[in-house]
Amino acid sequence: GNSVTQMEGPVTLSEEAFLTINCTYTATGYPSLFWYVQYPGEGLQLLLKATKADDKGSNKGFEATYRKETTSFHLEKGSVQVSDSAVYFCALRHSGSARQLTFGSGTQLTVLP
Amino acid sequence: NAGVTQTPKFQVLKTGQSMTLQCAQDMNHEYMSWYRQDPGMGLRLIHYSVGAGITDQGEVPNGYNVSRSTTEDFPLRLLSAAPSQTSVYFCASSEGTVYGYTFGSGTRLTVV
Repeated sequence: GNSVTQMEGPVTLSEEAFLTINCTYTATGYPSLFWYVQYPGEGLQLLLKATKADDKGSNKGFEATYRKETTSFHLEKGSVQVSDSAVYFCALRHSGSARQLTFGSGTQLTVLP
Repeated sequence: NAGVTQTPKFQVLKTGQSMTLQCAQDMNHEYMSWYRQDPGMGLRLIHYSVGAGITDQGEVPNGYNVSRSTTEDFPLRLLSAAPSQTSVYFCASSEGTVYGYTFGSGTRLTVV
């Protein structure tokens, strides 16, 4: 079955540091890949997505590239801000299935001023 | 445009009580889902629907029922609440299988 493995947290960085959160997946075929962000006390918000190999999703300075050869979708940001402190979830959705999102366990990011 | 609306935001139940968590979306999305979020376990799928009148079980369906009589609404029923159902519940909707989901703000449920 489908599964998503995320880098375990928590991750603590200083403001303006470089961020990488690793995500690898197991799935048949060609799933769509997503990163969601959850701020304290809120629901999940879609951060970015990629629907085919070599696609790069980007939003708010965050980027992730769909790497089929390494089954990865690592999240990166060049300079984090305190406001980026949140929990980040990697997820996949098989394009040919009515099934829903499969999530990783989430990575807590704290950015210190 | 309200998106996905969940009610209530907080609820405390006694063991054995029943209740319904409400979910409504105004985006005319065909796909809707219920997830529960527990510490260290990410989000797990409870039930989902691919359109009005069509529902199916997810990863952790036991103790929950759903129905989808309209495109807009997808209520989740707890039949007889148990402490193991203490969790944060999220409803989500999606336009199609290659798209991401839009999530509600969640219902925090405590069963004592």
